[in-house]
Amino acid sequence: EIVLTQSPDTLSVSPGERVILSCRASQSVSSYLAWYLQKPGQGPRLLIYDASNRATGIPARFSGSGSGTDFTLTISSLEPEDSAVYYCQQRSNWPITFGQGTRLEIK
Amino acid sequence: EVQLVESGGGLVKPGGSLRLSCAASEFTFSIYSMSWVRQAPGKGLEWVASISTDSRYIFYADSVRGRFTISRDNAKNLLYLRMDSLRVEDTALFFCTKERAPYSSPSVGSDLWGQGTLVTVSS
Repeated sequence: EIVLTQSPDTLSVSPGERVILSCRASQSVSSYLAWYLQKPGQGPRLLIYDASNRATGIPARFSGSGSGTDFTLTISSLEPEDSAVYYCQQRSNWPITFGQGTRLEIK
Repeated sequence: EVQLVESGGGLVKPGGSLRLSCAASEFTFSIYSMSWVRQAPGKGLEWVASISTDSRYIFYADSVRGRFTISRDNAKNLLYLRMDSLRVEDTALFFCTKERAPYSSPSVGSDLWGQGTLVTVSS
C-alpha cells in the first residue's frame, strides 16, 4: 500500500499570503495524484488532477506540481474562503489511498 | 443538475447488513468508473471500493473485502454498496464519487461527490 504523508498537519495563514502544502508518497505514483479540499459539513471538492491540472471551475490561485514521490499544492494568494482541510490522493496502485489531511486556518 | 445522491444509511447492530444506493443525475453514468469513499466521524477520507464502467473490474480496500460488495446498474443510473457483517469501526459517512475521466482513462481525480449517507454501527 502506498502511504501518502501530508505536511504540515495544521497551518494558520493570513489572507493574501502564499501557502504551500506538501504530499509525499512512500513510493512513486508518477503523476497519478489529486488534491481536494473539504469544508465542514460538505463532501470533498476536486482541485487538481494528475498532479498539475486544475479541475473545472477552480480559481487560478490554486496550482499543483510534482511527480514521483513529492508533490505540492500552492495557493498563490490566500482568500478567506480557502479555509478547509486539504487532502491528496493517489491512484497509481491499488488500493487508492489518501493523505491524512492538512487543516488550513485563516488568521 | 449534475449530482449524486446517496441513500440507505442508518443505525445497525454489529453483524448486521445495509445496502447503500447512489442515484446519478444529468451525466452519462455508464461511461464513468465509480467509487465509494468513507469518512469516520472527525477523521480523514478512506477509499472503500471502485467499479469500472462495465463492472468487469472491481477493487476493495482490505478492511472491507469479503464483507462489502459494490455493484452498479447502468440502465437505472444507480451505484450500490452492499455491506454485510458490519463492525463498529465501519461507522462513517459514506460518499459516492464519480471519476473525472471517462472509460477508465489513466487519470486520477473524482470530480463529483454526493453529500454522503451516515452509517452507524452500534449495539
